[in-house]
Amino acid sequence: QVQLVESGGGVVQPGRSLRLSCAASGFTFSTFALHWVRQAPGKGLEWVAFISYDGNDQYYADSVKGRFTISRDNSKNTLFLQMNSLRHDDTAIFYCARDYLGHFDSWGQGTLVTVSS
Amino acid sequence: DIVMTQTPLSSPVTLGQPASISCRSSHSLVQSDGNTYLSWLQQSPGQPPRLLIYKISNRFSGVPDRFSGSGAGTDFTLKISRVEAEDVGVYYCMQATQFPYSFGQGTKLEIK
Repeated sequence: QVQLVESGGGVVQPGRSLRLSCAASGFTFSTFALHWVRQAPGKGLEWVAFISYDGNDQYYADSVKGRFTISRDNSKNTLFLQMNSLRHDDTAIFYCARDYLGHFDSWGQGTLVTVSS
Repeated sequence: DIVMTQTPLSSPVTLGQPASISCRSSHSLVQSDGNTYLSWLQQSPGQPPRLLIYKISNRFSGVPDRFSGSGAGTDFTLKISRVEAEDVGVYYCMQATQFPYSFGQGTKLEIK
């Protein structure tokens, strides 16, 4: 079955960097686009970034553009999110999600990122 | 950017009774390919979101038929024909027609 497992979250100081990973299994990773979605504590869902199946196209939310970079390694079935210049308002659970023809049909359990001094 | 607005934000419902959530987009969600990429997701307490409905009215695999979606253009509705205890949670509409993708604020469904 489809499985997405995020990792790499933790506590980080403002201005520092963190790299999240999402390990995928149970499907042909290289044929699906993927997304990162985040959820601040007690808040709603916020779309963060998209990457095409081959990694050639990326899109970002304005709130992270220029600070976050989405990438993927299709040889290792892994999605990444490099987060630089982290701010307090980046504190959230970060989910990876699979894109199937324009809908997010599979989600990971999420990894918590806390930005705090 | 497309803004998604849900109403109500909170919906107390009696078990066995119907529930309805509305979602309005600031721009038409009809894409150039003719499809409307409007989805509904459910987030149960402490869980990641789960896809319920895609492209307005298509139930995802394993979703009970008491859930249905309808609408067109900028106005969409999720209906639960008879609410069950397991339906408690937050429901989100989401558009994937245009980047940046966006979610509604969420509607909290609770049992009276």
